[in-house]
Amino acid sequence: NAGVTQTPKFRVLKTGQSMTLLCAQDMNHEYMYWYRQDPGMGLRLIHYSVGEGTTAKGEVPDGYNVSRLKKQNFLLGLESAAPSQTSVYFCASRPNTGELFFGEGSRLTVL
Amino acid sequence: GQNIDQPTEMTATEGAIVQINCTYQTSGFNGLFWYQQHAGEAPTFLSYNVLDGLEEKGRFSSFLSRSKGYSYLLLKELQMKDSASYLCAVRPNRGSTLGRLYFGRGTQLTVWP
Repeated sequence: NAGVTQTPKFRVLKTGQSMTLLCAQDMNHEYMYWYRQDPGMGLRLIHYSVGEGTTAKGEVPDGYNVSRLKKQNFLLGLESAAPSQTSVYFCASRPNTGELFFGEGSRLTVL
Repeated sequence: GQNIDQPTEMTATEGAIVQINCTYQTSGFNGLFWYQQHAGEAPTFLSYNVLDGLEEKGRFSSFLSRSKGYSYLLLKELQMKDSASYLCAVRPNRGSTLGRLYFGRGTQLTVWP
């Protein structure tokens, strides 16, 4: 049972490049989330999904897009990366009731 | 909006007891969570409170007062491995914020020998 898996774990981008972060969970959870974590800022919600085919904006959605085509996968896209998007990104999932299960994080640097 | 406050840093000595406070103001309330996060790692679940009172789980306990918008995490018999950031998170009521969890900025606990 792998839990929540994020790929890639590390990535360096140049300003203006695009990339996609993949989150996969094997626990059949309905809810999935993308957070970013910056020093002194805590975890801030970017986008989330309450089920397959649904997405919703969180606190800091600008510059990001998401898709949930399959229940087990939640993709986070950066169309044109900016240095302000340098951060650690965490994916999480949870069942209808209960706590969040987090992936190991993806460390993104935008030069 | 949602507002969750917790101290930025705390220090304590090995073997001691430490209490980490969290106050919150949210649009409704449907549960409060505590997570532990070691440097460079993902947050891991510690406790969940939805009713007033104390929940005990080994060396860790969590308390909730819904009327005061207040919770604390109590760590007993501190060990060096307890040095970590402790995150308070609140789930608002159902409605437009259904499914969302709001996190405080975390309390960095350092345990000294």
